[in-house]
Amino acid sequence: GAVVSQHPSRVICKSGTSVKIECRSLDFQATTMFWYRQFPKQSLMLMATSNEGSKATYEQGVEKDKFLINHASLTLSTLTVTSAHPEDSSFYICSAQYAGGYNEQFFGPGTRLTVL
Amino acid sequence: GENVEQHPSTLSVQEGDSAVIKCTYSDSASNYFPWYKQELGKRPQLIIDIRSNVGEKKDQRIAVTLNKTAKHFSLHITETQPEDSAVYFCAASIGNSGGSNYKLTFGKGTLLTVNP
Repeated sequence: GAVVSQHPSRVICKSGTSVKIECRSLDFQATTMFWYRQFPKQSLMLMATSNEGSKATYEQGVEKDKFLINHASLTLSTLTVTSAHPEDSSFYICSAQYAGGYNEQFFGPGTRLTVL
Repeated sequence: GENVEQHPSTLSVQEGDSAVIKCTYSDSASNYFPWYKQELGKRPQLIIDIRSNVGEKKDQRIAVTLNKTAKHFSLHITETQPEDSAVYFCAASIGNSGGSNYKLTFGKGTLLTVNP
């Protein structure tokens, strides 16, 4: 149980384009989803927290207009990287929590974004 | 906000030896402390966690200890095997049963290498 999927697993795009990443909880309802970014040989850095049906809460230094997050249902959250640039190339990982789950987060497999 | 320090950043041991990774946290309200193992290009996998009402928890070759007074917790791996080689992250969170939306603060990670 508690399986989280992400799509796509890898994406290569040209500078200036937008990329959408989907995060789905497959067998539970995720009241909260988190989006992380991980650069090579570094830790996971929280970008934003999203609750179903409400606006995402962004961490300090993360541009909300560049990283658009939508959590329209209890099983799906999307992250859109708008006008991507090479410095946005990274490993993006989502995680999901369910109410009553006592803090535990279930991680998706990650999306490797490469911006040329 | 919470700050988690993790040491060492790299650790090399011989197969069969024990490995210990230590973390400290700053927020005394934190009460959930998970440990994750991450292989290259993969999602973090929860290997063990401990809550603040417990001082020690063990699962086969893996154990975690928590000292709330000193605000530090440690991961102990005994009888290490080459397949234990990976990056290990500690994390801390504030929360309680029945709730959600509790974000994790990660340490910077420890690259563990187990030499055959």
